Amino acid sequence: AQSVTQPDIHITVSEGASLELRCNYSYGATPYLFWYVQSPGQGLQLLLKYFSGDTLVQGIKGFEAEFKRSQSSFNLRKPSVHWSDAAEYFCAVGAGGSNFGNEKLTFGTGTRLTIIP
Amino acid sequence: NAGVTQTPKFQVLKTGQSMTLQCAQDMNHNSMYWYRQDPGMGLRLIYYSASEGTTDKGEVPNGYNVSRLNKREFSLRLESAAPSQTSVYFCASSEALWSEADTQYFGPGTRLTVL
Repeated sequence: AQSVTQPDIHITVSEGASLELRCNYSYGATPYLFWYVQSPGQGLQLLLKYFSGDTLVQGIKGFEAEFKRSQSSFNLRKPSVHWSDAAEYFCAVGAGGSNFGNEKLTFGTGTRLTIIP
Repeated sequence: NAGVTQTPKFQVLKTGQSMTLQCAQDMNHNSMYWYRQDPGMGLRLIYYSASEGTTDKGEVPNGYNVSRLNKREFSLRLESAAPSQTSVYFCASSEALWSEADTQYFGPGTRLTVL
């Protein structure tokens, strides 16, 4: 079964600074990878996803992520954060296709992002 | 277009009480899901429904039952609530089950406390 590790529980960055949130996955084949954001009191919103092709994926709100197979990573980046980016971020991995059932969408434990002025 | 809606937003139960969490989506999606979110554990899948009329267990189904009432609605029932079921519950839907085109859309959540 697949698994996801987000090693940083909480990150604090200054507004305008760059951001990188780490995500490492474990899966035997090519994974489907997702980043979701959860604002306080809200549900999860998809930021971006990777299925195949170009390993650098662009998402909404100026976010991007890069799939690195050799490192089993899918780190999320943003060149300049805004105060509105304060939220919790979840990385998820899935097998997709016909492998549903046990091969489900697995979420990491999340990284809480705090923005300071 | 409201997306995925959940009721209630908050609920407090006593141990042993029962309740049903409601979820509805207006995106004509085939697949629907119930997750629970606990601190430090991310989201864990309770049950899912690939299509109308079918349901299957996820990672943590014990203590829960579900009903896919129609294509729009997917309810989660706690027959005898326990303190361990204190959590935030999210409903989600997607066009298809775990497909390449799949994006799961989430509701705002129900915060449940069991005393």
